[in-house]
Amino acid sequence: KAGVTQTPRYLIKTRGQQVTLSCSPISGHRSVSWYQQTPGQGLQFLFEYFSETQRNKGNFPGRFSGRQFSNSRSEMNVSTLELGDSALYLCASTPSGTANNEQFFGPGTRLTVL
Amino acid sequence: AQSVTQPDIHITVSEGASLELRCNYSYGATPYLFWYVQSPGQGLQLLLKYFSGDTLVQGIKGFEAEFKRSQSSFNLRKPSVHWSDAAEYFCAVGVKEYGNKLVFGAGTILRVKS
Repeated sequence: KAGVTQTPRYLIKTRGQQVTLSCSPISGHRSVSWYQQTPGQGLQFLFEYFSETQRNKGNFPGRFSGRQFSNSRSEMNVSTLELGDSALYLCASTPSGTANNEQFFGPGTRLTVL
Repeated sequence: AQSVTQPDIHITVSEGASLELRCNYSYGATPYLFWYVQSPGQGLQLLLKYFSGDTLVQGIKGFEAEFKRSQSSFNLRKPSVHWSDAAEYFCAVGVKEYGNKLVFGAGTILRVKS
C-alpha cells in the first residue's frame, strides 16, 4: 500500500496570504489528523477528521481550518498567514476513529512565511 | 488535560552502548502510549505502542519500552545503539475520549558517537 502523501512538500508564502495543504491518507483509512511542528512549540494537534466530520480540534485560532472529502483526502487551510505559522505540517491517517490504532504519518509540508 | 514530559532534550551515547529515553505522562486513567522516531526532514515512524496487557512491549529496530503505572512512565530502551539510531524520539499519549488526538512530548535528540 502507498503511504500517506502530502502536497506540496515545500511552500513559501508571504504574510497575509492564505495557503492550502493537501493530505492523501493510506487507502482504506478514514481518519486524518493534522499536526503543526515548530522548534519552539513542538508537535501540536490541529484537528482530526473522521468520515468527513471534524471530531477534535486543537487550540489554534480560527485562521486554521480543514475539511475532508468523501474519499478521505483532507485539506487544511491557513488564512492571513503570520510569520509564526512557519512550520512543518504533518498529517497522519489511521483506519478507524478509536485511539488505540497506529497512526501513519506523512513526510510533511514545510511552510515558510516571509 | 493530559501532558507528556521528556526530561532529556539531548542524549549522547557511544555506539554499542545501551540507551534509555525517559517519558512521563499525566492522565487520570491508563492512556494509550506511543514512541515515534523522526529523522531529519522526515515524518514520524512508530517504534512501538502500549494499549493494555503485558507492560513490556517490543517494537521495531530492537527497541522496547516498559509501562509503569505507579510512576506514570513509559521509558524507551535499546540494549545496543547503532549509529543509524541517531534521530529525534517522541513519546506520545492518546486518550480514548479524544479520538485519534495525540499529545506529544517535546522530544529527545539522540546523538551516537563512534
